Amino acid sequence: GIQVEQSPPDLILQEGANSTLRCNFSDSVNNLQWFHQNPWGQLINLFYIPSGTKQNGRLSATTVATERYSLLYISSSQTTDSGVYFCAFRNNFNKFYFGSGTKLNVKP
Amino acid sequence: DAGVIQSPRHEVTEMGQEVTLRCKPISGHNSLFWYRQTMMRGLELLIYFNNNVPIDDSGMPEDRFSAKMPNASFSTLKIQPSEPRDSAVYFCASSRRETQYFGPGTRLLVL
Repeated sequence: GIQVEQSPPDLILQEGANSTLRCNFSDSVNNLQWFHQNPWGQLINLFYIPSGTKQNGRLSATTVATERYSLLYISSSQTTDSGVYFCAFRNNFNKFYFGSGTKLNVKP
Repeated sequence: DAGVIQSPRHEVTEMGQEVTLRCKPISGHNSLFWYRQTMMRGLELLIYFNNNVPIDDSGMPEDRFSAKMPNASFSTLKIQPSEPRDSAVYFCASSRRETQYFGPGTRLLVL
């Protein structure tokens, strides 16, 4: 079946540190998104990035569709970055798949 | 913009009762998604609509679950009869193109 693997599953950072989260997928991607779920449960879309690189402030994302992976970079992490980061994609058959997430804890 | 609106925010019910969750998408969005999140299974897509038409309902767990979208500004997810294993947070999301915007979720507890 279709696999979406996120790594690492858990990450603890000191405030100010940088990190890279990875999402590997086993199918051709038609739509790849990164989401953040904060500790209060709110889900927010970070990037829609089926290919290429995008940046938004301290966050950036890169998807290499031909190699079936996407990376989310967090620079100068802050405590408000804590939460769970999910990647999700839609394949060419309009099926959506979610990763199990990377749980990030940024300590002050 | 008010964002995606879900109601109720919390629901506690007894096994066997009917539960109806409601969602108002962002005006102008043409796709609507229903998700369920549990500790055991993570985030699951239950069903999504495009222009009020169900596109993929393969995530709907069983016949006890049904979803409707009678118009572009309203959708319901119904569970009848409810069971304790349905306890979860149910999210609704909408999109105009690809970026999905999530509602605050409905926390359902079935006793």
